[in-house]
Amino acid sequence: TQLLEQSPQFLSIQEGENLTVYCNSSSVFSSLQWYRQEPGEGPVLLVTVVTGGEVKKLKRLTFQFGDARKDSSLHITAAQPGDTGLYLCAGGYSNSGYALNFGKGTSLLVTP
Amino acid sequence: ETGVTQTPRHLVMGMTNKKSLKCEQHLGHNAMYWYKQSAKKPLELMFVYNFKEQTENNSVPSRFSPECPNSSHLFLHLHTLQPEDSALYLCASSQDWSTDTQYFGPGTRLTVL
Repeated sequence: TQLLEQSPQFLSIQEGENLTVYCNSSSVFSSLQWYRQEPGEGPVLLVTVVTGGEVKKLKRLTFQFGDARKDSSLHITAAQPGDTGLYLCAGGYSNSGYALNFGKGTSLLVTP
Repeated sequence: ETGVTQTPRHLVMGMTNKKSLKCEQHLGHNAMYWYKQSAKKPLELMFVYNFKEQTENNSVPSRFSPECPNSSHLFLHLHTLQPEDSALYLCASSQDWSTDTQYFGPGTRLTVL
């Protein structure tokens, strides 16, 4: 069973455009992490959100955790080629760190 | 060196070979994890160690054998693998097993011929 659904699966945009990717689940999570993974490398943690409705900003990236803690979104403003990569979301449960559930990811390509 | 390191970065092996993957974390964490990442699939958790004790074995075939001699080092011993075992093997660590946030190494790209 795929607990975390990410959409879209693939996204190809031009430099300067804005985009939003989504991470949805029917389960309630105690926290949610976003990672970016470049080809041939491991995922790099971008942010952890823990409170329903929480919004965090990381330069041009804005992360939001849904009020019910079942979904999250990542918005990128004025995308750059360096944003290219696979964006993974992972949902965690309290006291069960090893039970992180990962989505399949959104593959983003930003062309100059 | 900082973070989580993995060696080798690339490995090609035959089905009858025996090899080992190594992971080392320099973050002072107490939990370490092995994941398998295959194309078009979510990351699959394989093993979890917390304070050197194995706390999770996610129904992984016995041809994969983990070893955790201390909180900083984790190995994955491989023998008689199958071509479908070809994948990116990722190591991660966290403060302890109850902590959600994990930090990943760069991975070992394994190809089984």
